[in-house]
Amino acid sequence: QKEVEQDPGPLSVPEGAIVSLNCTYSNSAFQYFMWYRQYSRKGPELLMYTYSSGNKEDGRFTAQVDKSSKYISLFIRDSQPSDSATYLCAMSAALNDYKLSFGAGTTVTVRA
Amino acid sequence: KAGVTQTPRYLIKTRGQQVTLSCSPISGHRSVSWYQQTPGQGLQFLFEYFSETQRNKGNFPGRFSGRQFSNSRSEMNVSTLELGDSALYLCASSLVTGNNEQFFGPGTRLTVL
Repeated sequence: QKEVEQDPGPLSVPEGAIVSLNCTYSNSAFQYFMWYRQYSRKGPELLMYTYSSGNKEDGRFTAQVDKSSKYISLFIRDSQPSDSATYLCAMSAALNDYKLSFGAGTTVTVRA
Repeated sequence: KAGVTQTPRYLIKTRGQQVTLSCSPISGHRSVSWYQQTPGQGLQFLFEYFSETQRNKGNFPGRFSGRQFSNSRSEMNVSTLELGDSALYLCASSLVTGNNEQFFGPGTRLTVL
């Protein structure tokens, strides 16, 4: 079993829909959680960064962390065709621990 | 502010050769990490350097090595290339000021024939 599980999709939604992405993990030591967006043939771009449990909102993006369930989510409101990409969750255990464990990535297509 | 830069962007090598990839972090960032991305295994951590010292290492064979220079630039080397080393190699840099944010470069796509 992988340390971080993420459904690879693909996920296809109409423009304007809410995109819901999630990851589960097994290592209870993880405290720092990130979401990256990766366009085809590009490097991952950091979207959201959260520490411990709770919610964080940034524009159309909302990240949620539930450490008790070992479950994290990313919601994209009012999705646009430009949101079509692969979304990767990543996590690490300690402050200044740069060994990130990644999910497999979910490929999202937003249809115009 | 310039982002993380990686050179070369594309590389084709044959089995048995060796290769060196280069990474320049964001100005002021002192930590550099390397990852391998393949369709089958996803993103896997190779190693991390800080102040010219390797602080952390993933589960890769000794054919994969790296180093960091005093200006924080980093190189990774793969010796005796195998077909399975074909991948996108990503470099990420971090400021090291109390959070774990990492910023990735565009990657070097290595093809081993």
